[in-house]
Amino acid sequence: SAVISQKPSRDICQRGTSLTIQCQVDSQVTMMFWYRQQPGQSLTLIATANQGSEATYESGFVIDKFPISRPNLTFSTLTVSNMSPEDSSIYLCSVGVGDGEQFFGPGTRLTVL
Amino acid sequence: QQQVKQSPQSLIVQKGGISIINCAYENTAFDYFPWYQQFPGKGPALLIAIRPDVSEKKEGRFTISFNKSAKQFSLHIMDSQPGDSATYFCAARGGSYIPTFGRGTSLIVHP
Repeated sequence: SAVISQKPSRDICQRGTSLTIQCQVDSQVTMMFWYRQQPGQSLTLIATANQGSEATYESGFVIDKFPISRPNLTFSTLTVSNMSPEDSSIYLCSVGVGDGEQFFGPGTRLTVL
Repeated sequence: QQQVKQSPQSLIVQKGGISIINCAYENTAFDYFPWYQQFPGKGPALLIAIRPDVSEKKEGRFTISFNKSAKQFSLHIMDSQPGDSATYFCAARGGSYIPTFGRGTSLIVHP
């Protein structure tokens, strides 16, 4: 398993600003993922963040809006840029370990006014 | 196109009853089927998972039933408790770490 922490746990931001979310894992992992979960909805994959390479974005998500860093095997950041109310959501970091099991962080609840 | 269909969207059960959540998939390449439990304000947590070489897996009060020919799998929660009240997501994965999630089922267990 893996223990994942995220900062901040929640934030309220003004439209047009940016927020960087941090994800820290207690062990080295190759694959890290960022998800978005809108209220009462399922999980939508934003991107896969692999150390030493550019993040791979899913359809509908672009690097200019959601830049991701992955400086080492235990840490990643997701930035939500030029925010609008439509970006209000829970952002989840997850990691893949072992034979492919995914473990999730506690999430960052973002509200954009 | 939703590749994993989950039902029901919401479920209300009395304490001690059986909760049943169903999922169906389309992609025959899927070979790993996890269930996640999510409490409000928390991230999803892996609850139980199954691979298609078995038809059933049980862990405590939680059982996954798997029907490969029908491409369906279900979660049964026996003796449901108020503490089981949460959102449950089924998922399916094949060949990578990235699962496809169902839409989720909000379970409420009344005392």
